[in-house]
Amino acid sequence: GQQVMQIPQYQHVQEGEDFTTYCNSSTTLSNIQWYKQRPGGHPVFLIQLVKSGEVKKQKRLTFQFGEAKKNSSLHITATQTTDVGTYFCAGSGGSNYKLTFGKGTLLTVNP
Amino acid sequence: GAGVSQSPRYKVAKRGQDVALRCDPISGHVSLFWYQQALGQGPEFLTYFQNEAQLDKSGLPSDRFFAERPEGSVSTLKIQRTQQEDSAVYLCASSSRVADPTGANVLTFGAGSRLTVL
Repeated sequence: GQQVMQIPQYQHVQEGEDFTTYCNSSTTLSNIQWYKQRPGGHPVFLIQLVKSGEVKKQKRLTFQFGEAKKNSSLHITATQTTDVGTYFCAGSGGSNYKLTFGKGTLLTVNP
Repeated sequence: GAGVSQSPRYKVAKRGQDVALRCDPISGHVSLFWYQQALGQGPEFLTYFQNEAQLDKSGLPSDRFFAERPEGSVSTLKIQRTQQEDSAVYLCASSSRVADPTGANVLTFGAGSRLTVL
């Protein structure tokens, strides 16, 4: 079945440093979504990418979808303590309703 | 309601007991999903409803797991004869869209029900 892998598993940064998490799928994806889960919380939708090579920005967050639609990345510029949490990518293939989540990247930020 | 509501938030069960977890999705949302999230892992798909129809139950780990959404709104996930490996957070999510080729459902998750089986 479809597998979605994320690296790194953990990332600790000093406030103000940049952060990137990478997501790779074993199969070509129809689209990819990113979610953020704060400690003790539930996943909250951030963004969806659909087109090959697509790049979207949300303030300090930049999301990319690879040309082959098999990988994606999330980059945070100048991290803040409010960025703390686990970032999950989730992809879907042909069915479009079954999202397969990666294991997530836990980001901690030292003030 | 304003968001996806799940109850109970916490459930402790003795091994062998049956449990029922409830999900009240956002009003009018046609799609409802159940996910299981083990500690330190990403959510794993369990089952999908479109209105009252259970279109996919391929993620249910065993026949001890059963889900229903009889009137197309509230859903219940039932686990019979609980085992320790069932301990996890059970997340319910809903979406206003049905499955279509242009994009996957954007999910609004509830706070989850944390099940601990002793």
